[in-house]
Amino acid sequence: DQQVKQNSPSLSVQEGRISILNCDYTNSMFDYFLWYKKYPAEGPTFLISISSIKDKNEDGRFTVFLNKSAKHLSLHIVPSQPGDSAVYFCAASARETSGSRLTFGEGTQLTVNP
Amino acid sequence: DARVTQTPRHKVTEMGQEVTMRCQPILGHNTVFWYRQTMMQGLELLAYFRNRAPLDDSGMPKDRFSAEMPDATLATLKIQPSEPRDSAVYFCASGLVLSRRHEQYFGPGTRLTVT
Repeated sequence: DQQVKQNSPSLSVQEGRISILNCDYTNSMFDYFLWYKKYPAEGPTFLISISSIKDKNEDGRFTVFLNKSAKHLSLHIVPSQPGDSAVYFCAASARETSGSRLTFGEGTQLTVNP
Repeated sequence: DARVTQTPRHKVTEMGQEVTMRCQPILGHNTVFWYRQTMMQGLELLAYFRNRAPLDDSGMPKDRFSAEMPDATLATLKIQPSEPRDSAVYFCASGLVLSRRHEQYFGPGTRLTVT
């Protein structure tokens, strides 16, 4: 049972344009959501997070949007840069019931073309 | 710059051999996780510890995998005997469960190949 799904295995955008990565979840107990970025031969790096009491969190070029009614979150990168090319994982946590364990999506490979 | 470290970075071994992977979490973090990444499964949680006590190891094949934290600065994941299907990248992550923020910080991984 895949509780966190990233339906797009890959995404290609032009430098300077917006990248939108999407993630859907099924478990209504999830109350904290995170995005990680992973380069080849490295571990995932924490990027940005959002609590379920918010619908938006912004950090520089990165913004995460949460739509609880649709059980959907998205990561916007504006403007996209070639260095953003990586695999992006979304993750979710049900803090009250599962403590700090995270459930990860399968990842989306983002390629930003110069 | 605090980081999670993992050794070895690469391991090639023959089927049936014992494999031990080590992780040094970030100093002060109270939670340690072991993940496995394969092409098919994404990031799969194997086990995790809070304050060195195992909280959940339901993701691990119990007959061959074991995870321990001998002290606060060392976590180990052992496979005995190893099988070709264990070939994957194994990540350790640590975090500090504080103020309801649950970010985890990952090490660079151990790439295991079992022939």
